[in-house]
Amino acid sequence: ETGVTQTPRHLVMGMTNKKSLKCEQHLGHNAMYWYKQSAKKPLELMFVYNFKEQTENNSVPSRFSPECPNSSHLFLHLHTLQPEDSALYLCASSQERVGTEAFFGQGTRLTVV
Amino acid sequence: AQKVTQAQTEISVVEKEDVTLDCVYETRDTTYYLFWYKQPPSGELVFLIRRNSFDEQNEISGRYSWNFQKSTSSFNFTITASQVVDSAVYFCALLNSGYALNFGKGTSLLVTP
Repeated sequence: ETGVTQTPRHLVMGMTNKKSLKCEQHLGHNAMYWYKQSAKKPLELMFVYNFKEQTENNSVPSRFSPECPNSSHLFLHLHTLQPEDSALYLCASSQERVGTEAFFGQGTRLTVV
Repeated sequence: AQKVTQAQTEISVVEKEDVTLDCVYETRDTTYYLFWYKQPPSGELVFLIRRNSFDEQNEISGRYSWNFQKSTSSFNFTITASQVVDSAVYFCALLNSGYALNFGKGTSLLVTP
């Protein structure tokens, strides 16, 4: 059982839908991340939150909107996605100190139809 | 610029064979951190090891060992006496300043009985 939990595990949505991915960590960490994993491509960092403040937005399209209400929860709100946005979305958390390892959830497999 | 190269896309071995996964990195920083993660079919990335750039000591953990050589910018991972449960995708990652892990494309390891 991982200390980082993501829901849902699988999601199929139409291009006009609005949905949200949820991530919760039970590790007492203060930094949380969203990564995107597409087929045949390296994992891409999307967003970084440190103590609930967004510290990094890696040129992500505005159809992806993150929200971090507290250090334990992270959301990724999705709207008007494209089929190329289909991927595995991974949430991670770490201590706020630079150089520490990140712990990942099992991901949400997103399919946009 | 920082970059991680995992030249081996797929490796297939028979159980009990030893296997080495290669990782070559590029960075101009003198302080950096290297990681290995395992991604089983379930999806989550499992943290295996972290090394900082000032610690070139090799490490062994059970059947796993890591060889860090700054002279060749390599951080290779060896599994001794491989088992079917070792089948997964293995990622090498580099972290400089900040929180963003730079991942290689991963090596898919298949261990057959």
